[in-house]
Amino acid sequence: GNSVTQMEGPVTLSEEAFLTINCTYTATGYPSLFWYVQYPGEGLQLLLKATKADDKGSNKGFEATYRKETTSFHLEKGSVQVSDSAVYFCALSDRAGGTSYGKLTFGQGTILTVHP
Amino acid sequence: DVKVTQSSRYLVKRTGEKVFLECVQDMDHENMFWYRQDPGLGLRLIYFSYDVKMKEKGDIPEGYSVSREKKERFSLILESASTNQTSMYLCASSLRGAGYTIYFGEGSWLTVV
Repeated sequence: GNSVTQMEGPVTLSEEAFLTINCTYTATGYPSLFWYVQYPGEGLQLLLKATKADDKGSNKGFEATYRKETTSFHLEKGSVQVSDSAVYFCALSDRAGGTSYGKLTFGQGTILTVHP
Repeated sequence: DVKVTQSSRYLVKRTGEKVFLECVQDMDHENMFWYRQDPGLGLRLIYFSYDVKMKEKGDIPEGYSVSREKKERFSLILESASTNQTSMYLCASSLRGAGYTIYFGEGSWLTVV
């Protein structure tokens, strides 16, 4: 079956530090990969996505590259801000068997706290 | 803007009560989903629906049922609420097919006492 594994959290950084949140996956087919972010008290919103190998998703200074050879989709940002404090979820949507309804399989989430 | 609206943000129910969580989307999406979010476990899929009156079990359907009588509305039903169903419930919708963005509502915090 499909699964997503994220690095253990929580992660605490100072403002302007470099961020990496690791994500690896197992899938039976050809997945699309996503990062979602959840700010305090809110639902999830899409941060970025990549639909095929070697694609790079980017948004709001965050980037992630779809690495099929290492089955990874690590999230990076060069300089974090206090406003980036949130929970980050890695997820995949599989296309195994040529049929997919677009269901997402999520990792467990990583809590990021950025201090001034 | 895509809008997924969950009818209740915070609910407190008693053990054994029947609970309805309602969700409406305004983007004519085929897919609708109900997820449960618990600390350390991420989001787990309860049920999803890819068309009106169609439903499929997700990873944790036990103790839940769903209803989709209209395309824009997807209801989650707890037939007899139990304390282990205390959780955050998230509704979502998308176009059908892999790679499409899934849009989430703000969530419903359910406490069963």
